[in-house]
This record gives sequence, structure tokens and C-alpha cells, in this order.
Amino acid sequence: KAGVTQTPRYLIKTRGQQVTLSCSPISGHRSVSWYQQTPGQGLQFLFEYFSETQRNKGNFPGRFSGRQFSNSRSEMNVSTLELGDSALYLCASSLTQSTDTQYFGPGTRLTVL
Amino acid sequence: AQKVTQAQTEISVVEKEDVTLDCVYETRDTTYYLFWYKQPPSGELVFLIRRNSFDEQNEISGRYSWNFQKSTSSFNFTITASQVVDSAVYFCALSGPLGTYKYIFGTGTRLKVLA
Repeated sequence: KAGVTQTPRYLIKTRGQQVTLSCSPISGHRSVSWYQQTPGQGLQFLFEYFSETQRNKGNFPGRFSGRQFSNSRSEMNVSTLELGDSALYLCASSLTQSTDTQYFGPGTRLTVL
Repeated sequence: AQKVTQAQTEISVVEKEDVTLDCVYETRDTTYYLFWYKQPPSGELVFLIRRNSFDEQNEISGRYSWNFQKSTSSFNFTITASQVVDSAVYFCALSGPLGTYKYIFGTGTRLKVLA
């Protein structure tokens, strides 16, 4: 069974731009969560989607948004990029929106210049 | 508030040594779940184990073992006869009942196994 895939793997953007990251969950998984990982803040929960609805949200500004499609694929968007948004963005999928085990993708490394 | 503490920032051991990674958690929930993940240099978090709060049985999987003690709010991870391939950052995580919050991760412990 294929794992979680994320595209692109690497991105370089400049301040003020916006970016869209994509995540395809494991087949049959309906919940997708996004995390930001930085050396200073560690792993922080961004949001969780289940059946195209955002069910949980972390403490991030409104510049961070996401959505989920009917096939459970998810996208995350960051607008008006700031230098501090440079991070590894990890997507995880699980069977349902409950506390099932999350399986992570390889991440998208975003660099903001 | 929920919290996960991994006090060991970095540990270095020589190959074949045993090593224990500590994880202490805080929660007021009676139902919760604990996890360990491994993050090799490639960046992807690899799932290792999941434990629910009602199951205090220790778990052994090959060279890996986990000790869950509710009395001390700890969920420690031991690698027996460590190998260079075990070098990675290891994260402990806590999750609660449905609808409360998603995973709360510890800050991770970087394990370096030297040949």
C-alpha cells in the first residue's frame, strides 16, 4: 500500500508570496492533518481535515489555511509568506478523525527568502 | 493542559549499547493515547508504537521495548544493542479523546549511535 505523498518536496519562495502544498493520504484514510516543524518550535499542529471539513485547528494565524477534497487529498496554503514560515511541513493521514495512528509523509521543506 | 516532556535533548552511545529515551506526559484526560515516532535524516516520521491509557502492558518488538507507567506518567523507550541505523530523532506524542486535540509532540531526543 502506498504511503502518504507530499508535493513538492522542496520550495523556495520570497517574502510576500503565497504557496500551496499538496498531500495525498494513504488509500482509505479519511483524516489528514498538517504539522509545521521548525528547529525552534518543534512539531506544531496546524489543522486536521475529515470528510472535507476542518475539525481541529492549531494556534496559527489566518494566513495558514487548508482544504480537503472528496478523494481525501488535502492542500495547505500559506499567504503573504514571512521569513519565519520557513519550515518542514508534514502531512499525516489516519483512518478516521479519531485518535487513530497517524502516518506521515516525507514533508515539504519550504524556504522563504 | 496537555504536555509532553522529553528532557534528553541528545544522547550518544556506542554501537551495541542499550539506551533508554525518556518521555513524561501531563494530561487530565482519563482516555488518552501515547505514541513514539522515529525521524531519520530523510525527515519522514516513522510510526513505532501506539498505547492507550488503559493498557499498561510493556511491549517488546525486536530490539525495541516500551515501558508505560501511569503512576509516574511516563512512557519510556529502550533500544537494546543499538545500531548505527538507529541514529535519528525520536519523538513521543500524546493524543486525547476524539474532538479534543490532536497530537502534542515532545521536543524530541536526538540519538547518535557511534560505530
